[in-house]
Parts: sequence; structure tokens; C-alpha cells
Amino acid sequence: AQKVTQAQTEISVVEKEDVTLDCVYETRDTTYYLFWYKQPPSGELVFLIRRNSFDEQNEISGRYSWNFQKSTSSFNFTITASQVVDSAVYFCALSVPDTGNQFYFGTGTSLTVIP
Amino acid sequence: DAGITQSPRHKVTETGTPVTLRCHQTENHRYMYWYRQDPGHGLRLIHYSYGVKDTDKGEVSDGYSVSRSKTEDFLLTLESATSSQTSVYFCAIRGPGMNTEAFFGQGTRLTVV
Repeated sequence: AQKVTQAQTEISVVEKEDVTLDCVYETRDTTYYLFWYKQPPSGELVFLIRRNSFDEQNEISGRYSWNFQKSTSSFNFTITASQVVDSAVYFCALSVPDTGNQFYFGTGTSLTVIP
Repeated sequence: DAGITQSPRHKVTETGTPVTLRCHQTENHRYMYWYRQDPGHGLRLIHYSYGVKDTDKGEVSDGYSVSRSKTEDFLLTLESATSSQTSVYFCAIRGPGMNTEAFFGQGTRLTVV
């Protein structure tokens, strides 16, 4: 069975602080992909990044970085120098080879950046 | 932006009435999904489709049915709406391969009174 856990339900930080959103996954498949999506207050879901199970290199994109560690089954997301526009719900998701090509989503972390 | 639209965007309906939500795509993607989003539960899969007339249940399918008679349209029907089905519903589309991202519609806010 596939499972994604985002233990942090809500996080509040003051602007310019760094924040890390945790994502832990479970799967028996050896080949899989992990994703992060952002849902700002306007409600749409925006794709941020994907990572395959064979690529453990960390990725940095501007103020965003992702740390993938197979040893701990984690794919954590760090925002450096947070800004008010980062306030959103962030979802981690797992994709494995199956009939429906479906995502297995975590329950999301609601991030509030306080000015 | 991916071509995916949901209709209606908002709907208020009475308990016991049937309701149909429509998802339309212009991307010719094989996979289509219906999710519901509720506080504390994230996105939960209701039904999905992997081709025309090929559908299957997700984790919260009770009380819902779907149909896909052509590639571009995926309909979600609440046969007899209940208050527990008050939610925000998202449709998503995805190309083949587990490496592809999903594109989401803008959501439908459904209120059952």
C-alpha cells in the first residue's frame, strides 16, 4: 500500500524565516516519483517539483529547495527567507506504477507567513 | 495553462437531489480524476478514469458515480446528495507515465443543504 504523511498540519513563521515542510512516504515499489504541489489561498493547485526514486540529488530553485532521502523515505521542502506570498497549503504526493497512474497525496501542510 | 475546465464552479443543492459535475479537457490526456478536498483530509480520490469507458473507484467512492463517454469529458454524479458531500471538488488530468504531473481544474464548491 502507498502512503504519504505530512505530520505538520499548520505552520506559522515570521517573514524572512526559513521553514521546512516534512514529507514521509511509504511504498514497496522500487521505482516511483515524488511531487510537491502548492495551493495558494486562491485555491488552484500548482505543480512545484517532481523527483524520481533513483535521483537523490537535492534540488534548489531560487528560495525553494528539496531534500530527498531514500534512507528515511523523506522528501522535505525548505523555503528560505519566507515571504507572505509563500502562504499556502503544500501537498506532497507519491506516484507509482499502477493502473490508474494516480497520485497518493498527503493531507497537506498549511503555511502562514506573518509579515 | 493546461486546458481543463470544471463546471459549475459553485453549486448549492438540496439533500436528496442528484447533482452532476463536469470536467472537460482539451489536452487529450488519458487519465482523469475526481478528488474532494476537505479540511484535515487533504485531497481524496473519488474515482478515476484510464480511458474512454474505463473507470475505477478511489478511496471515497461511496455515493458517487462517474462516466466517461469521450476522451475530453469526465462526469461526476452524486446520485442523491447528502450534507456529508458538501466539499470542494477538483478534477485533474494526467498524461501517461508516473513521471508526469497532474493538472488540476479550478475546483467546484458544492454545498448540500
